Amino acid sequence: GDSVTQMEGPVTLSEEAFLTINCTYTATGYPSLFWYVQYPGEGLQLLLKATKADDKGSNKGFEATYRKETTSFHLEKGSVQVSDSAVYFCALTGFSGGYNKLIFGAGTRLAVHP
Amino acid sequence: NAGVTQTPKFQVLKTGQSMTLQCAQDMNHNSMYWYRQDPGMGLRLIYYSASEGTTDKGEVPNGYNVSRLNKREFSLRLESAAPSQTSVYFCASSGQDRASTFTSGANVLTFGAGSRLTVL
Repeated sequence: GDSVTQMEGPVTLSEEAFLTINCTYTATGYPSLFWYVQYPGEGLQLLLKATKADDKGSNKGFEATYRKETTSFHLEKGSVQVSDSAVYFCALTGFSGGYNKLIFGAGTRLAVHP
Repeated sequence: NAGVTQTPKFQVLKTGQSMTLQCAQDMNHNSMYWYRQDPGMGLRLIYYSASEGTTDKGEVPNGYNVSRLNKREFSLRLESAAPSQTSVYFCASSGQDRASTFTSGANVLTFGAGSRLTVL
């Protein structure tokens, strides 16, 4: 079935450092790709999305480009802040277990220090 | 603020006890979902409801039951809790007409804050 693989965390950075969180996927067809973020004590919320190849999703300084040739959707930010500390989930719309659904990666914890 | 509300936020149960997690949304969404989140495993779908009056099994439905009481409310019940059900549970909703149709690419889920359940 379809799946998502994220880099293992935690990722620890100093404030203003460059962030990359890797995400690769396996899917039949043409999935849409998402990044969700979970701040401490809260539920997940959509950060950005891309619906077709070469699309770039962006929000709050974060960006990710849908790369079909490398089946990747890496999350990047040029200068992280302490407030970006959270768990980041890559996800795709896919077919698994006999039905269409939103498939999540395991999550990557980011810790940003002053 | 509009959104998804879950109760309770924390619960401790003994093995064999039963309980119900409540979820309500005020966004007039048709579809609602229950996920569980376990370390290193991301989110796994337990049950979903494409619309009022319908429910379907997800990836890990064993040991759970659900009720879509009305358009706003979707509850998750553990009839006889087991330690393997210790987890954080998230309710979510979306505006898609059919929960099984994600191919439009427009599907976005709104999540509740989560319910942490411990089964001893």
